[in-house]
This record gives sequence, C-alpha cells and structure tokens, in this order.
Amino acid sequence: SFELTQPPSVSVSPGQTASIPCSGDDLGYNYVSWYQQKPGQPPVLVIYQDAKRPSGIPERFSGSNSGNTATLTISGTQALDEADYYCQAWDSDSHVVFGGGTKLTVL
Amino acid sequence: QVQLQESGPGLVRPSGTLSLTCAVSGDYITRNHWWTWVRQPPGKGLEWIGEIDQSGSTNYSPSLKSRVTLSIDTSKNQFSLRLNSVTAADTAVYYCARESGHLSAPVSVWFDPWGQGILVTVST
Repeated sequence: SFELTQPPSVSVSPGQTASIPCSGDDLGYNYVSWYQQKPGQPPVLVIYQDAKRPSGIPERFSGSNSGNTATLTISGTQALDEADYYCQAWDSDSHVVFGGGTKLTVL
Repeated sequence: QVQLQESGPGLVRPSGTLSLTCAVSGDYITRNHWWTWVRQPPGKGLEWIGEIDQSGSTNYSPSLKSRVTLSIDTSKNQFSLRLNSVTAADTAVYYCARESGHLSAPVSVWFDPWGQGILVTVST
C-alpha cells in the first residue's frame, strides 16, 4: 500500500526557513496537499496541488514535489507557525493517504 | 463562507454503531464536490475514512470499508457517517470536510474547509 513518511519533529529558529519533507514511492507523480493543525483545532489547508496557496495563507508558505519527496517550506518562520503539519496524496487504488505528521517547533 | 458542523453522540458503547452527521452551510451539497470524513485518535495523526458525492457514490478506506457506510441527504444539505462494531480503537475526533480537485491523472484532491470536529469515545 502507498505510504507517506514524515519526520516526527522539525525545529527552527524564528526568522529562519523550515523545511518539512514528505516521502513516498514516486511521489512526484502525485499531487500533494499540506495541512497545518494547531492544538485543539481542525486542520487548515496551506498548500494544494504541490505548490498552490489558498487565499489567506501567507506567502511564506511554499511547496514543491519531485522524485520521491514533497517539501513544505516556511520562510521567515514565526512563532505562530508552530503546529503539526500533515502531507496528503491520492494513491493508485483511489484512496486518500495522509503522512504521519510533523511537529514543527519554533525555538 | 462555507461552514461544516459535525453532530452526534459523544459516547458509544463497544460493539455499537457510531453515527454522525455533517451539516453544510454556505454551499449547496449538490455542487460539484465530494464530501469526506477524516478521524484523529487522541494524540495521533489523521486517518481518512471515506468520501461521498452528490449522487451517493462512495469510496472508502480499505481498512474501514467493511464497517463504514456514508450517506447523503441533499434535501437537508448534509451527509452522514455510520461505523458499526466499534471498539476502543475507534475513539477519535471525527472531522467532516469538503473535497475539491479533479480525478483525471494525476489525481489531485484537497480538503477545505473542515468542520470543528467531534470527539467520539467508545466506552462502557
């Protein structure tokens, strides 16, 4: 079955760039979406179709996808960006798959 | 502005049936979208349950397919989830969401917006 793998945690200093990877077999042939989830809140879509930002999402959020890895990049990371981040894709058996999630800590 | 709101019992007995409804406002459920359910056990990640479109066509997670039924009521602008034979492992926050995207290759789907979620505990 298709699996998406994320590191459990990523740390970044305020103002620096955070990169959160999501890996899967030939993931570059799939479109990937990313969600931000803060404690006690529902997930919020921050990137869809690999690199598109929904309205209202700051420009510091960007995405890329190539080969076996998709990456969510947060430039100029702020304290309010501290959250869990999940990648999501569609597998060849017509099912939605989520990554295990990455906790972003802004130190 | 589209809003989704989950409702249903917060406590279900083991071996019983979990039933939840998602009310949609600000959009017609008959528009060209699929509607989906996702759950999140306490302290864990997101798990996709399944999806339904306006015609009632469904698609389920392989791991839950034998126990899940999704339905849609276009007259009430809502869709529902039933999960039978529940155990403690089904304790989770259950979210409904609107699905957008396209199913032509490469398939692209994303979920926005999401409901606030409802915690369902399976316990005696």
